[in-house]
Amino acid sequence: AQSVTQLDSQVPVFEEAPVELRCNYSSSVSVYLFWYVQYPNQGLQLLLKYLSGSTLVESINGFEAEFNKSQTSFHLRKPSVHISDTAEYFCAVSYTGRRALTFGSGTRLQVQP
Amino acid sequence: GAVVSQHPSRVICKSGTSVKIECRSLDFQATTMFWYRQFPKQSLMLMATSNEGSKATYEQGVEKDKFLINHASLTLSTLTVTSAHPEDSSFYICSARSSGPQETQYFGPGTRLLVL
Repeated sequence: AQSVTQLDSQVPVFEEAPVELRCNYSSSVSVYLFWYVQYPNQGLQLLLKYLSGSTLVESINGFEAEFNKSQTSFHLRKPSVHISDTAEYFCAVSYTGRRALTFGSGTRLQVQP
Repeated sequence: GAVVSQHPSRVICKSGTSVKIECRSLDFQATTMFWYRQFPKQSLMLMATSNEGSKATYEQGVEKDKFLINHASLTLSTLTVTSAHPEDSSFYICSARSSGPQETQYFGPGTRLLVL
């Protein structure tokens, strides 16, 4: 079965520290990869996506993720986090032939002052 | 970016009543919309895929007669929770898929349903 694994349910980090949120997916020939962010009591907002081309993708607010086909990973990183980055982050995958997204279990990023 | 709206944002109803949730793509046409359900502190679980002009495709374990989906136009899909019970209380989120080579799903803000 197709699956997405986010190993860390919670990641506490101090403000201005770097952070990495891990995401691994079950192998497939072709995938689209996404990171979504969810603030409390809100819907999901697209943070960044990988569809093709360069394996390193960036968002406008300093996050980046790298598609690693050999390790079937799409880890999210930010070199310096802010308090406002505190939220739930979901990794999602769209597999070939299936247009719906398969979500990971989410990682709660808690940025502390 | 593309905007997807949901209405209502929050609804409280009595057990046994039906609740309709609307999902609209505001600035693009969506031939496909998806309905997800999210329990507290959990991930999103796909309930069904809504295709404009045809019957929805439900995921295994989702009762199609309980969760009625209608996708009558390219910008509107509705989810009706029929004869709601307390265990149906959840956060319901829709998404709309943009067309073209850079297809991406855009999510609505969600509807929180509380069944008393």
